[in-house]
Amino acid sequence: DVKVTQSSRYLVKRTGEKVFLECVQDMDHENMFWYRQDPGLGLRLIYFSYDVKMKEKGDIPEGYSVSREKKERFSLILESASTNQTSMYLCASSLGGGLGQPQHFGDGTRLSIL
Amino acid sequence: AQSVTQLDSQVPVFEEAPVELRCNYSSSVSVYLFWYVQYPNQGLQLLLKYLSGSTLVESINGFEAEFNKSQTSFHLRKPSVHISDTAEYFCAVSGQNNFNKFYFGSGTKLNVKP
Repeated sequence: DVKVTQSSRYLVKRTGEKVFLECVQDMDHENMFWYRQDPGLGLRLIYFSYDVKMKEKGDIPEGYSVSREKKERFSLILESASTNQTSMYLCASSLGGGLGQPQHFGDGTRLSIL
Repeated sequence: AQSVTQLDSQVPVFEEAPVELRCNYSSSVSVYLFWYVQYPNQGLQLLLKYLSGSTLVESINGFEAEFNKSQTSFHLRKPSVHISDTAEYFCAVSGQNNFNKFYFGSGTKLNVKP
């Protein structure tokens, strides 16, 4: 089974801090994704990566950046955390190449910005 | 552009009753369709998917979904629900785009009552 591991289940940070959320997958997947999930809004794509050092903006990239130095690891960075970034963050991965590949999700990080 | 609409934000139902969770999508190209389930404090798990072929797809735990191209729908059904089916369900669409991007609906919370 694919395993996507997010480093923290719960995280509390202060406004203005630089925050790192880490995600590791163990199936050699080419694609990795970061979403945020808010009640009534579903999942919104922040950034994704289709290869090492490659990244693309999703629908809501403002205030975030990402890093993918190794194929198995995809980091989400909140450059200067703000209270409106309090949310559930979900990481996912999928195979590249063929179309229709399902995405596999981690358990999420519930981030609170005080 | 693609979008997914889940009209029902919450669906209450009694145990052993049938249920239908609705999903409609908009896309001008061929799509791949997915249903995911999210239990409390967990990530999303793939429930079932439609890629091609038979328009009726089934999951291992009794759910089924039917792809209807003319109605642009992919409704999820179960003839008899259990308490353990209480969760949030997300419909997602992936088209013939690069990088396997998904578009998610806003989710439907299924609440099964005894």
